[in-house]
Amino acid sequence: GAVVSQHPSRVICKSGTSVKIECRSLDFQATTMFWYRQFPKQSLMLMATSNEGSKATYEQGVEKDKFLINHASLTLSTLTVTSAHPEDSSFYICSARGGLAGGNSYNEQFFGPGTRLTVL
Amino acid sequence: LAKTTQPISMDSYEGQEVNITCSHNNIATNDYITWYQQFPSQGPRFIIQGYKTKVTNEVASLFIPADRKSSTLSLPRVSLSDTAVYYCLVGDNQAGTALIFGKGTTLSVSS
Repeated sequence: GAVVSQHPSRVICKSGTSVKIECRSLDFQATTMFWYRQFPKQSLMLMATSNEGSKATYEQGVEKDKFLINHASLTLSTLTVTSAHPEDSSFYICSARGGLAGGNSYNEQFFGPGTRLTVL
Repeated sequence: LAKTTQPISMDSYEGQEVNITCSHNNIATNDYITWYQQFPSQGPRFIIQGYKTKVTNEVASLFIPADRKSSTLSLPRVSLSDTAVYYCLVGDNQAGTALIFGKGTTLSVSS
């Protein structure tokens, strides 16, 4: 199946710094990418939907100025956590759906391996 | 809000068949039913998807009754490595539509 990668897999940063997480679709073009956040022992929570070449759509309660999303190409979306604080520590997961050229016949949503962010 | 309801947890032993049922009373005509598996500190992994009746692949079967208000994921002869969280999701397959996760079912397989 299609592959979605994330970089870095783990990051530790000091409070107040910014962290960028990359999400790439390796073998298909992703017209839409999604960013999720998962706290320990909890389910995935959708943060935002990122469309190539346009502004991201954020879910209610997610601060767009804090979580900057850029989807500059059909294979790359980035999430920047600005001025990170300990409460932003979480597991961030991206996913992607291809257009007609990607995914299986059901337009499957593929998930990346996740990025563990720890803010000290 | 998540559109599905699953048991919070299930226990099983190696070699047994495990059936996890999911309720989705408000499923829409265009919605598909998809199951994902997630191990700790990993992204979810696609298991199976269906629209109606029965779907089978190399790892699982998915049973969907005619009214489509529920579905059952069947894992034949589970092993210790099947210990994971299993999510049932419903949604259309439009490229711009995100999957919304419910709480999932934590399956624990013992020897």
